[in-house]
Amino acid sequence: GAVVSQHPSWVICKSGTSVKIECRSLDFQATTMFWYRQFPKQSLMLMATSNEGSKATYEQGVEKDKFLINHASLTLSTLTVTSAHPEDSSFYICSAVKGNTGELFFGEGSRLTVL
Amino acid sequence: KQEVTQIPAALSVPEGENLVLNCSFTDSAIYNLQWFRQDPGKGLTSLLLIQSSQREQTSGRLNASLDKSSGRSTLYIAASQPGDSATYLCASSSGSARQLTFGSGTQLTVLP
Repeated sequence: GAVVSQHPSWVICKSGTSVKIECRSLDFQATTMFWYRQFPKQSLMLMATSNEGSKATYEQGVEKDKFLINHASLTLSTLTVTSAHPEDSSFYICSAVKGNTGELFFGEGSRLTVL
Repeated sequence: KQEVTQIPAALSVPEGENLVLNCSFTDSAIYNLQWFRQDPGKGLTSLLLIQSSQREQTSGRLNASLDKSSGRSTLYIAASQPGDSATYLCASSSGSARQLTFGSGTQLTVLP
């Protein structure tokens, strides 16, 4: 199967700092990537759709100035949590669409803890 | 807006038993339906993808079916093993961006 890599896998930061999470498709090109957020014992909630070379599309209720998404190449999308606060602590997962089937491949996730 | 429901929320079975996980969705205009496995603290592993034109897909001990007209999909696991213990998520792909809508998952525990 296709490989999607996320980095870092976990990060602890102080309140007010910004954190960048990278999502890379290692063996395929992805024009579309998705960012999800998952709270403990809950399912994934779509945050935004990231399209290569254009602005991301955010889901209702997700602050675009808070969660900056950049999809500068066909293999890399980044999510920056700006001025992070404890309520931003969560598990963030990215996925990339491979080919025309619409099949998604997911990264291993990044656990963010804001102190 | 698409809504995906999974029943049961949790399931515990003895090793060797066959089991079925259920997934239902409200909007039948889907591109595909995908089943995933998630281990604690980990990302998602794709198990099976069923295109909207297909009825089922099989991989090893796993078989997934899709009935668009009734808005249902099932994941059948044969001869369950303790290593199958995980949370199983189904997700339907719809909308202009083909974004996935996830169910809340079924937490499966296979007892040795």
